[in-house]
Amino acid sequence: LAKTTQPISMDSYEGQEVNITCSHNNIATNDYITWYQQFPSQGPRFIIQGYKTKVTNEVASLFIPADRKSSTLSLPRVSLSDTAVYYCLVGGLATSGTYKYIFGTGTRLKVLA
Amino acid sequence: NAGVTQTPKFQVLKTGQSMTLQCAQDMNHNSMYWYRQDPGMGLRLIYYSASEGTTDKGEVPNGYNVSRLNKREFSLRLESAAPSQTSVYFCASSEVGGLYEQYFGPGTRLTVT
Repeated sequence: LAKTTQPISMDSYEGQEVNITCSHNNIATNDYITWYQQFPSQGPRFIIQGYKTKVTNEVASLFIPADRKSSTLSLPRVSLSDTAVYYCLVGGLATSGTYKYIFGTGTRLKVLA
Repeated sequence: NAGVTQTPKFQVLKTGQSMTLQCAQDMNHNSMYWYRQDPGMGLRLIYYSASEGTTDKGEVPNGYNVSRLNKREFSLRLESAAPSQTSVYFCASSEVGGLYEQYFGPGTRLTVT
């Protein structure tokens, strides 16, 4: 299973772009990279998913280098409501035919006014 | 659509007691999951069901059993609760198995004394 490593916490100011990097050195060929956002006392919410290169949706971009050993979630122009914990999730179909997932430790993002 | 619902929201058990956590989804999803989240930690996968009629172990299955009752419902049972099982339990579902977007329920906060 690919373990992930993320910064424990980050601070940013409103209107800034925030980049959160996740390290996953042992990522397997079948593994996808997914990012979730979690507010206190709520279940996580899907942000974005990718396999390689760059993926962009209406809320974020995901950059994955060619070796796929890391990924960077980019949040453009953050606001106070983006204060949350962000999880990097790596997983996919294991050789046993079952699905395996590992959530990272999460990055606690605090957006300041 | 209610999405993913979980009952109960809170529960206190004594060591050795048993209970079942209920989860239901109304999105016609094939795959369902149970996670636990300890204070200040990321989520860990307990069990998942890739499709109706199948279940498989995740990262931390010991002390738990699951039942995929039908396509909508996936229950988690603690046969003999232990203090180490004090946690917040999240149920999730996704359209198909693998690392597709998972939709999470609001969680059940369980305390075992």
